[in-house]
Amino acid sequence: EAGVVQSPRYKIIEKKQPVAFWCNPISGHNTLYWYRQNLGQGPELLIRYENEEAVDDSQLPKDRFSAERLKGVDSTLKIQPAELGDSAVYLCASSLGALAGDTQYFGPGTRLTVL
Amino acid sequence: GESVGLHLPTLSVQEGDNSIINCAYSNSASDYFIWYKQESGKGPQFIIDIRSNMDKRQGQRVTVLLNKTVKHLSLQIAATQPGDSAVYFCAEKGAGSYQLTFGKGTKLSVIP
Repeated sequence: EAGVVQSPRYKIIEKKQPVAFWCNPISGHNTLYWYRQNLGQGPELLIRYENEEAVDDSQLPKDRFSAERLKGVDSTLKIQPAELGDSAVYLCASSLGALAGDTQYFGPGTRLTVL
Repeated sequence: GESVGLHLPTLSVQEGDNSIINCAYSNSASDYFIWYKQESGKGPQFIIDIRSNMDKRQGQRVTVLLNKTVKHLSLQIAATQPGDSAVYFCAEKGAGSYQLTFGKGTKLSVIP
């Protein structure tokens, strides 16, 4: 069974440029998460989707970040414009649901470098 | 740019020895805990979980211990192998919360 797929794996852009990350969750997983992981730290949640609805986006910097999951499957996370401090690994995860015991499975992440 | 000056706790063990990785959590209302393993260039990989109504759970070569009195979680790896070298994160979920909060990772280095 395929795991969580993310692309691209690496992205290098100049500041003020836009960037987008794509995620395809595990088939049948209704819940999708986007995390940001800074160097040497654990992942921090940006947004959580239940099907196509963003049910928790309280930690998403909405002035420059946006996300969508139009058909409740694939998801895209966008940054526009990117800033130097956005350099990090952006991880997508999915789970059957969001209850305790619903294991989150992570993709390999997209490493973003903003110059 | 990237954050600088962050120092991951590091544990170095000899191949074949047992490893113990510790984690202190802060939320006494957390009722679900998970250990993840993250290898370089990869996303976190689920290892083992435990609910707050348990104090010990065993998997294949791994054991998680939960001490709610002192809010401490540990991961024991038996007969550590070079493939166990990675950063290990504990994560917690509060009762009634959907959010998983990750702790600071520990880097495990296995000496062949």
